[in-house]
Amino acid sequence: KNEVEQSPQNLTAQEGEFITINCSYSVGISALHWLQQHPGGGIVSLFMLSSGKKKHGRLIATINIQEKHSSLHITASHPRDSAVYICAAEDSSGSARQLTFGSGTQLTVLP
Amino acid sequence: GAVVSQHPSRVICKSGTSVKIECRSLDFQATTMFWYRQFPKQSLMLMATSNEGSKATYEQGVEKDKFLINHASLTLSTLTVTSAHPEDSSFYICSAARQRNQPQHFGDGTRLSIL
Repeated sequence: KNEVEQSPQNLTAQEGEFITINCSYSVGISALHWLQQHPGGGIVSLFMLSSGKKKHGRLIATINIQEKHSSLHITASHPRDSAVYICAAEDSSGSARQLTFGSGTQLTVLP
Repeated sequence: GAVVSQHPSRVICKSGTSVKIECRSLDFQATTMFWYRQFPKQSLMLMATSNEGSKATYEQGVEKDKFLINHASLTLSTLTVTSAHPEDSSFYICSAARQRNQPQHFGDGTRLSIL
């Protein structure tokens, strides 16, 4: 079973700062997901990547398959970015894609 | 596209009550739906994988007689918590995928509180 670790657990930043959240996993995967969970609980899928780098607006996700490590970066952070960010390792070796979730990073961006 | 609706968003009920939670894919057909549980300050834990027209596959430690899952159509899966007790209080969230090998889309979750 995959072990997924995220750091930091909590992160407080000032508006405009560049933010990095890290994720490492123990076993080879087919894809790595970054999710955003809002205070009400709803989850939005931000990225799914299996190699290299993806960018969407102010969000950038990178993955290093050899090092089993992924990072989520937020440029020019804003208070509305405050949420829990979760990485999830996907294993599709079975009959269905299953996700193993990290414990999440609580991000608070102060105005 | 790819909207998943979960209902209700919040339930408060007495111990011993059975509670049904619905998960609907609004604009796509989902052959596979997943049910997760999240306790406060903890990560999501997969409870079961539901495939349309067949029995759900439960994760180890999840009681199938306690958490009944029905995936009767390509747009609807239901989770029924039978004879709920306070320890069942949690945040339940579903996700849906068009096919087994395609990305999951998440619902907004149901916060269940058993008194």
